[in-house]
Amino acid sequence: AQSVAQPEDQVNVAEGNPLTVKCTYSVSGNPYLFWYVQYPNRGLQFLLKYITGDNLVKGSYGFEAEFNKSQTSFHLKKPSALVSDSALYFCAVRDTHRYGGSQGNLIFGKGTKLSVKP
Amino acid sequence: GAVVSQHPSWVICKSGTSVKIECRSLDFQATTMFWYRQFPKQSLMLMATSNEGSKATYEQGVEKDKFLINHASLTLSTLTVTSAHPEDSSFYICSARPTGGDTQYFGPGTRLTVL
Repeated sequence: AQSVAQPEDQVNVAEGNPLTVKCTYSVSGNPYLFWYVQYPNRGLQFLLKYITGDNLVKGSYGFEAEFNKSQTSFHLKKPSALVSDSALYFCAVRDTHRYGGSQGNLIFGKGTKLSVKP
Repeated sequence: GAVVSQHPSWVICKSGTSVKIECRSLDFQATTMFWYRQFPKQSLMLMATSNEGSKATYEQGVEKDKFLINHASLTLSTLTVTSAHPEDSSFYICSARPTGGDTQYFGPGTRLTVL
């Protein structure tokens, strides 16, 4: 079965320090991977995706993620964290195994709360 | 670009009444839209996939007669919670995927409270 794991419930970082939010996946075939951010009482905002091509993907707000096929990981990174980056981050993989109307929906990790302190 | 709106952003209703939530893709066409439910401090749970011009596909355990989905056009899908009960109180989020695209864009969510 396809799945996504975010092993950390919460990540704490000091402002200005680099941050990493971890994500590992389990799929058969080539993965379509996504990162979204959610601020309180809001929907999800798309940050970046990996479909094919360069393993290092750059996205919105200075975030980037590195696709590592051998480790089946897609960790989200940012060189210098901001207090405003504090939010809930979701990693997701596109479900390519289901047929019919639900094909292509996203399978989400449980989310990681990022807290950036000044 | 790729903006998805939801209306209303929040709604309070009495038990037994029905509530309709709209999801619109504002600047793109979406053959497929998705409806999710999110409980506090939890991830998103897919409820159903809405396809323009055809019946929605519901996930296991989601009552199709209770959560009515209509995808009447390439920019609008609606979710109607019928005979709402307090246990239906939740945060409902829709997403839309541009026709031929591979990224889902999410609406801001609708907070439903059933008294």
